[in-house]
Amino acid sequence: GAVVSQHPSRVICKSGTSVKIECRSLDFQATTMFWYRQFPKQSLMLMATSNEGSKATYEQGVEKDKFLINHASLTLSTLTVTSAHPEDSSFYICSALRGPNQPQHFGDGTRLSIL
Amino acid sequence: SQQGEEDPQALSIQEGENATMNCSYKTSINNLQWYRQNSGRGLVHLILIRSNEREKHSGRLRVTLDTSKKSSSLLITASRAADTASYFCATASPNDYKLSFGAGTTVTVRA
Repeated sequence: GAVVSQHPSRVICKSGTSVKIECRSLDFQATTMFWYRQFPKQSLMLMATSNEGSKATYEQGVEKDKFLINHASLTLSTLTVTSAHPEDSSFYICSALRGPNQPQHFGDGTRLSIL
Repeated sequence: SQQGEEDPQALSIQEGENATMNCSYKTSINNLQWYRQNSGRGLVHLILIRSNEREKHSGRLRVTLDTSKKSSSLLITASRAADTASYFCATASPNDYKLSFGAGTTVTVRA
C-alpha cells in the first residue's frame, strides 16, 4: 500500500526557534498534500493544501507567514513553523493524495513541543 | 472546517462484540471515508464509500451511507483488543479534494 513518511516524529525546542517538518510520499507522486493540526482528544483541523509547483492554499485563520509550506517536488512537502511559541505546541499530521476520489494517505504525525 | 458529527463520542465493549458508530454531515459530498487513529499516530484509511453507493464491506468492517439523511455508519464485527482506537469519518466535497473530519469516536475493546 501507499506509504507517507513524516519526519521528525517528535520535536522539543525553545521558544523562538523555527521548526521544519517533512512529508514524503514514498511510492507515488502526489500533486496535492495536506497539513493538519490536532489538539489532544480532538479531531483533525485542516491548515493548508500544498500544491506542487504553486503556492499553498491556507484555511481561514491560519497564518501563512507563521506556517510556511513548500511543495518543491511531487514527493515532498515541508511545513516550517517559524518563530515557534508554546501555543504552537501540537500534533501536526500531513497527508498525500494519490488522485481524485481516492483516500488520503497519512504520515505518522509530528509531536511539536515548544518550551 | 469540521462538518461531521459522530456518535457516540466513546464506546467501550467486550472482545467479540460488535461496535457501531454513526456520522452525520451537512453539505453535499463526493464521497465519505472512515479512518482509524491509534494513540499518537497518524490516520489509517479503512473504507471509502462514494455518494452513489449505499453499503460497502471490508473484512470485519461494514459501512453504510444514506445521502437522504446525510448520515453514515461504521460497524466493526467480532471486535478484538487491537481494534481499540479512535475512528473518524471524513467527507470529501464535490468541488475539491479537501476532507472535513468528524469529531471521532473512541472505541475501547476490553479483553
